[in-house]
Amino acid sequence: GEDVEQSLFLSVREGDSSVINCTYTDSSSTYLYWYKQEPGAGLQLLTYIFSNMDMKQDQRLTVLLNKKDKHLSLRIADTQTGDSAIYFCAEINTGGFKTIFGAGTRLFVKA
Amino acid sequence: DTGVSQDPRHKITKRGQNVTFRCDPISEHNRLYWYRQTLGQGPEFLTYFQNEAQLEKSRLLSDRFSAERPKGSFSTLEIQRTEQGDSAMYLCASSEPQGSGNTIYFGEGSWLTVV
Repeated sequence: GEDVEQSLFLSVREGDSSVINCTYTDSSSTYLYWYKQEPGAGLQLLTYIFSNMDMKQDQRLTVLLNKKDKHLSLRIADTQTGDSAIYFCAEINTGGFKTIFGAGTRLFVKA
Repeated sequence: DTGVSQDPRHKITKRGQNVTFRCDPISEHNRLYWYRQTLGQGPEFLTYFQNEAQLEKSRLLSDRFSAERPKGSFSTLEIQRTEQGDSAMYLCASSEPQGSGNTIYFGEGSWLTVV
């Protein structure tokens, strides 16, 4: 079935790079997403990558996709305290209407 | 455009009462979704509308839950005879027709606490 797995916690120092990893099971996923959620708020779309790409860069964010291993990562360069949040990896199902989310990775940024 | 808006943001209700949440999607989006999120988990899909048609419902959506989108614009999610296990954040999202990766945009969520 469809499943998305993420590590639960990541702690980094301010100014370092953060790398959040994700694995997914649906090899037919066409799009993969990263969302950010701050306490008590909804999910904010950070970026997405089409399955025929292996990398996408957007300012401080770099997404790497290894389709063979079904592995997705999000790198945040120069991590700031304001980046502390929960980051969700998500894939869209083969029907194209249901987005499946991981449980989220809690990023803690130490000053 | 103000994005997806949800109302109310917070609701505390007694067990057994009915509650209704409203969602106004981004105006040009014809697809609308409801998700539920509990503490420590990612959002779980509940249901999906394309225009006014409800095309998919999750098994998570018991008979006590009903969602409508009568004119293809705003949507409501009603929970009847609430139970403590219904306590969660209910997230609404919308997306454009296919062509933009079906990227969904979320509202701020409606927190439900059943006491």
